[in-house]
Amino acid sequence: QKEVEQDPGPLSVPEGAIVSLNCTYSNSAFQYFMWYRQYSRKGPELLMYTYSSGNKEDGRFTAQVDKSSKYISLFIRDSQPSDSATYLCATLNDYKLSFGAGTTVTVRA
Amino acid sequence: DSGVTQTPKHLITATGQRVTLRCSPRSGDLSVYWYQQSLDQGLQFLIQYYNGEERAKGNILERFSAQQFPDLHSELNLSSLELGDSALYFCASSVEGQVDSPLHFGNGTRLTVT
Repeated sequence: QKEVEQDPGPLSVPEGAIVSLNCTYSNSAFQYFMWYRQYSRKGPELLMYTYSSGNKEDGRFTAQVDKSSKYISLFIRDSQPSDSATYLCATLNDYKLSFGAGTTVTVRA
Repeated sequence: DSGVTQTPKHLITATGQRVTLRCSPRSGDLSVYWYQQSLDQGLQFLIQYYNGEERAKGNILERFSAQQFPDLHSELNLSSLELGDSALYFCASSVEGQVDSPLHFGNGTRLTVT
């Protein structure tokens, strides 16, 4: 079983829509959860970082962790064409960052 | 710009050959990580070095090896290359390699094995 499962999509939304991305993870001991954004031909860049359960908001981005269901979510409000990218969830455990498959998002102008 | 530099950007080589990928971490970062990204496997952790010492090992094949030098740059050596080794290889660095230290990725080396 993979440590992190993520639906690869793709996901296409109109500009201004809310983008909802989800992952599940297997190990209840995981405490650190991240979302990375990867543009084409670039390396992943850290978008959001949360510890344990709860919500974290940064501008148009909200990350949620539900440890009871081992579920990680990322919401993008008022989505823009510049948000078109692949979004990867990740969990950090014992120095190892385990990534989901990534969801490719296209925001149509 | 993440501050992590990887060279070369592209590499095309034949099966059976050996290649070396190079990574310069961000200034001040002691920890270097190597990842492999392929279409079917996604981003896979290969190996981590902290201040010259191997810290953690992931799904790294025996044909692959890495090291981190005193100036903190790192090299990933891939030998006896197979077609399936074609992938994007990313290097990342972080400040101390502790569990809550975010990783910063370079733009990768695209390896094509023909």
